[in-house]
Amino acid sequence: GAGVSQTPSNKVTEKGKYVELRCDPISGHTALYWYRQSLGQGPEFLIYFQGTGAADDSGLPNDRFFAVRPEGSVSTLKIQRTERGDSAVYLCASSPAVGSEQFFGPGTRLTVL
Amino acid sequence: AQKVTQAQTEISVVEKEDVTLDCVYETRDTTYYLFWYKQPPSGELVFLIRRNSFDEQNEISGRYSWNFQKSTSSFNFTITASQVVDSAVYFCALRRGNTGNQFYFGTGTSLTVIP
Repeated sequence: GAGVSQTPSNKVTEKGKYVELRCDPISGHTALYWYRQSLGQGPEFLIYFQGTGAADDSGLPNDRFFAVRPEGSVSTLKIQRTERGDSAVYLCASSPAVGSEQFFGPGTRLTVL
Repeated sequence: AQKVTQAQTEISVVEKEDVTLDCVYETRDTTYYLFWYKQPPSGELVFLIRRNSFDEQNEISGRYSWNFQKSTSSFNFTITASQVVDSAVYFCALRRGNTGNQFYFGTGTSLTVIP
């Protein structure tokens, strides 16, 4: 079956611009997670959704970052006024239930010039 | 606080050698879960195994085996008779059992298997 998909695969933007990153989880998975992975590092938790609601957004670095999941499936991570330090691979994962293993997408590589 | 340490940054082995990737974790929770993921050059993290804190039985799956020891807070991963396709970055991760749902990842071990 289809895995987690993320679009775009690559995004290059200029400092100060707004970007949206999309995640399509595995069909039927109720839990959805966003992580950020910098070069040479492990994924760093940003936010997770159970259904439509953000159950834990403690990993969002500041108020420039926001994520939504309005219908409980597709999620969008939004970054305002991008900074060069936001450059990283943004990973999305989904799981069939809270606590079970997470299945990751291929990521979106964001480059802020 | 939760923490996962993978002290080996890079390992190189010759094909058919055995290799062990170390993982040490810190948590005060009595219930927690440990995971290993593989990240090949394509970038997508692939789930390998999950263990809960109450199950210290070692597990073998083909050429892969895992050694979970609560006494030393370690969850090591061994690949037997390594192959070139095993070349990847391997991440160990911890999830708290009762509160929160985020994974805490180590910094990964980059394994290169030389033909």
